[in-house]
Amino acid sequence: DAGVIQSPRHEVTEMGQEVTLRCKPISGHDYLFWYRQTMMRGLELLIYFNNNVPIDDSGMPEDRFSAKMPNASFSTLKIQPSEPRDSAVYFCASRAGRIYNEQFFGPGTRLTVL
Amino acid sequence: AQSVTQPDIHITVSEGASLELRCNYSYGATPYLFWYVQSPGQGLQLLLKYFSGDTLVQGIKGFEAEFKRSQSSFNLRKPSVHWSDAAEYFCAVGAAGYQKVTFGTGTKLQVIP
Repeated sequence: DAGVIQSPRHEVTEMGQEVTLRCKPISGHDYLFWYRQTMMRGLELLIYFNNNVPIDDSGMPEDRFSAKMPNASFSTLKIQPSEPRDSAVYFCASRAGRIYNEQFFGPGTRLTVL
Repeated sequence: AQSVTQPDIHITVSEGASLELRCNYSYGATPYLFWYVQSPGQGLQLLLKYFSGDTLVQGIKGFEAEFKRSQSSFNLRKPSVHWSDAAEYFCAVGAAGYQKVTFGTGTKLQVIP
């Protein structure tokens, strides 16, 4: 398996623009997590899905953020409109089953909002 | 809710020296504990985990960690550090009945020749 795939790897956009980050989890994994990593706040869980259903979105910072998982092999995280404070590295991770199993992280998308 | 503390933000060790990274957790019942490593520009990779059984767990790349319930700790150790171990290390805690893991703020390891 190729592991968790994220695209794009780097995104530079201007304030106010819509940004869409994409994630393909490992086949067969039933949990998918979106994280944001910044120097100030560390690694924060934004939202997670189980069997394509959003379970906990309490970490989504504002209504400008939304996430979807239309099928088991694809998820998106959208920011609309983007702001400079959204600049961060966004990670997608997937896991098979129970919490004590390993989360496999993608390489991340580095987002810069000017 | 569970929480995890990594008191050391940055640690520098000489190549060949031993290493111990500290992690303290807060949770009432038996926690699930993890150590992940993040190399620059990469995602996180699992080094080792504890969820039951032997309190000394072995991981990849020669790392080990010991779960000490009395001290609420899960410190990561390596007897001899290699330059390639320079990275950021994250301790994480989870619990039965929950599905999300809480990560610590990370410890950045620098290895000097």
